[in-house]
Amino acid sequence: AQSVTQPDIHITVSEGASLELRCNYSYGATPYLFWYVQSPGQGLQLLLKYFSGDTLVQGIKGFEAEFKRSQSSFNLRKPSVHWSDAAEYFCAVAAPGGGNKLTFGTGTQLKVEL
Amino acid sequence: GAVVSQHPSRVICKSGTSVKIECRSLDFQATTMFWYRQFPKKSLMLMATSNEGSKATYEQGVEKDKFLINHASLTLSTLTVTSAHPEDSSFYICSAKSGTRQDTQYFGPGTRLTVL
Repeated sequence: AQSVTQPDIHITVSEGASLELRCNYSYGATPYLFWYVQSPGQGLQLLLKYFSGDTLVQGIKGFEAEFKRSQSSFNLRKPSVHWSDAAEYFCAVAAPGGGNKLTFGTGTQLKVEL
Repeated sequence: GAVVSQHPSRVICKSGTSVKIECRSLDFQATTMFWYRQFPKKSLMLMATSNEGSKATYEQGVEKDKFLINHASLTLSTLTVTSAHPEDSSFYICSAKSGTRQDTQYFGPGTRLTVL
């Protein structure tokens, strides 16, 4: 069975600082990988996804993620965080061709200090 | 584009009553919809997958008689929590997949259910 680990429950960064949120997965092959952001009162919004090809994926809002097969990781990065980025971030995996049933990590709560 | 709505956003009910939550895809046809449950400070747990016009597929451990799912049209799925109890209190989130963009799920804003 597939699983996702987000080791950091909470992260606090200063506005303008760089950000990296960690995500490790367990799956027999290369899964589909996703990062979602959840803000209060809003639905989960897809930031980016990786299916195959270039391992560095660009997403919306200035986010990017890098797939590293050797480390079973898909870490999310942003070079300069804005106060509006404060939210809960979820990494998720799905089996290719498996009906796209998503397995989510436990989330990382990002706090941005002004 | 790809907007999913849920109604109501919050509901409080008495123990023993049933509650219906609606999930609508507003600007696309959703061949598949998913229902998730999210506990405080926890991840989203998939409850069931519903395809339009067919019975929902429930995840292991989810009581299908407790959580009734109907996907009667390409834009509407409903989740009915029957004979609700306080332990059913949770945040319920739906998502929908477009028939043309099968690889991406679009999520609703969620429904906070509180059972007294």
